Amino acid sequence: GESVGLHLPTLSVQEGDNSIINCAYSNSASDYFIWYKQESGKGPQFIIDIRSNMDKRQGQRVTVLLNKTVKHLSLQIAATQPGDSAVYFCAENDSMDSSYKLIFGSGTRLLVRP
Amino acid sequence: DGGITQSPKYLFRKEGQNVTLSCEQNLNHDAMYWYRQDPGQGLRLIYYSQIVNDFQKGDIAEGYSVSREKKESFPLTVTSAQKNPTAFYLCASSWGTDTQYFGPGTRLTVL
Repeated sequence: GESVGLHLPTLSVQEGDNSIINCAYSNSASDYFIWYKQESGKGPQFIIDIRSNMDKRQGQRVTVLLNKTVKHLSLQIAATQPGDSAVYFCAENDSMDSSYKLIFGSGTRLLVRP
Repeated sequence: DGGITQSPKYLFRKEGQNVTLSCEQNLNHDAMYWYRQDPGQGLRLIYYSQIVNDFQKGDIAEGYSVSREKKESFPLTVTSAQKNPTAFYLCASSWGTDTQYFGPGTRLTVL
């Protein structure tokens, strides 16, 4: 497949372990945050989102934690599987900004060892 | 089958040519976006449109043009003025400031 990022930070985990991917966001006015998963040669796929009135949100095998004090976001993946191998992006948005623009992080590559 | 489609999947351009990338959505989203992705980098916004017949420049609009004549369509033209067009191009759509959903992408290569 084609690479979507050659020099990304990489997290390598053993299959079955939990993964934690971190993201520092830049805009203190951001109030909506999204995690995307991107497999090689494909478009980003929505995983989970969280609004600033929450500090934790859970999905199926994934949890997003938001710490507004230090402008930090994390994605936790439970029981990591080989199919979780991909590049993960966080994105932030200020819903009061009429432009609808998302600001994307540079991404983290997750490698799952069998 | 709802979603966002992009075509073609691969596109090759000769020097000096304009090429147009297609993006269609049947999600009834009002907003549509074009991003460029280069290896080792995140997504950079080229253009976006919040309503039909209106669009705004993103962070890297030089050398690109768009139109939004229909709600479901947002084609991107990469002009000869874009000096380094080889990249992966992604189209997205959303309801206002809600989650943006992405198409499968078009990989453009300059020969």
